[in-house]
Amino acid sequence: DAKTTQPPSMDCAEGRAANLPCNHSTISGNEYVYWYRQIHSQGPQYIIHGLKNNETNEMASLIITEDRKSSTLILPHATLRDTAVYYCIVRTRIQGAQKLVFGQGTRLTINP
Amino acid sequence: GAVVSQHPSWVICKSGTSVKIECRSLDFQATTMFWYRQFPKQSLMLMATSNEGSKATYEQGVEKDKFLINHASLTLSTLTVTSAHPEDSSFYICSATPPGLGNTIYFGEGSWLTVV
Repeated sequence: DAKTTQPPSMDCAEGRAANLPCNHSTISGNEYVYWYRQIHSQGPQYIIHGLKNNETNEMASLIITEDRKSSTLILPHATLRDTAVYYCIVRTRIQGAQKLVFGQGTRLTINP
Repeated sequence: GAVVSQHPSWVICKSGTSVKIECRSLDFQATTMFWYRQFPKQSLMLMATSNEGSKATYEQGVEKDKFLINHASLTLSTLTVTSAHPEDSSFYICSATPPGLGNTIYFGEGSWLTVV
């Protein structure tokens, strides 16, 4: 079962920051938070992941609350190509492969 | 570039026939790969875990005799949909992880299967 809760849909204006929330209140100490996105008819694309500290890469920033029960993915300057379904997933930090269980995600629409 | 590749990208087959989808890890070895299925407007559903050199592990409700998984090498896993029916039409996606702690899981481009 998915361990995360996300709003089903969000809208954002082009050029503005898109902030996508995710609740993972049952997360345990050894679980990472991963974000993927899926553009129609394609496989999921990795965006970013983190354990407890905030993370930033060329695509996005990930803000994790101090209690780790929620996080926010930030796309700093959204473009029309960022329109996609965004998935927030928790993954156990263990050696070897760990399956990802997807929830319903957030359908983000970037409006011109 | 892609680190996990699937083939074919799309396939159409007749009811009752079998179709094979390949998943390859590029530039790394994957002892474990995962197969997902996705119906239109729905999320990805995990079908099975493909283990190199051993039997696949299937999620509850997934018929192992219908969805045959073979992981014969460290870079290739195949999913064979046997005796396909129109209700098997779906988007099939695989994933793999380079070895190491906490490494990113990469997904293939997906394979569209249409059974007519």
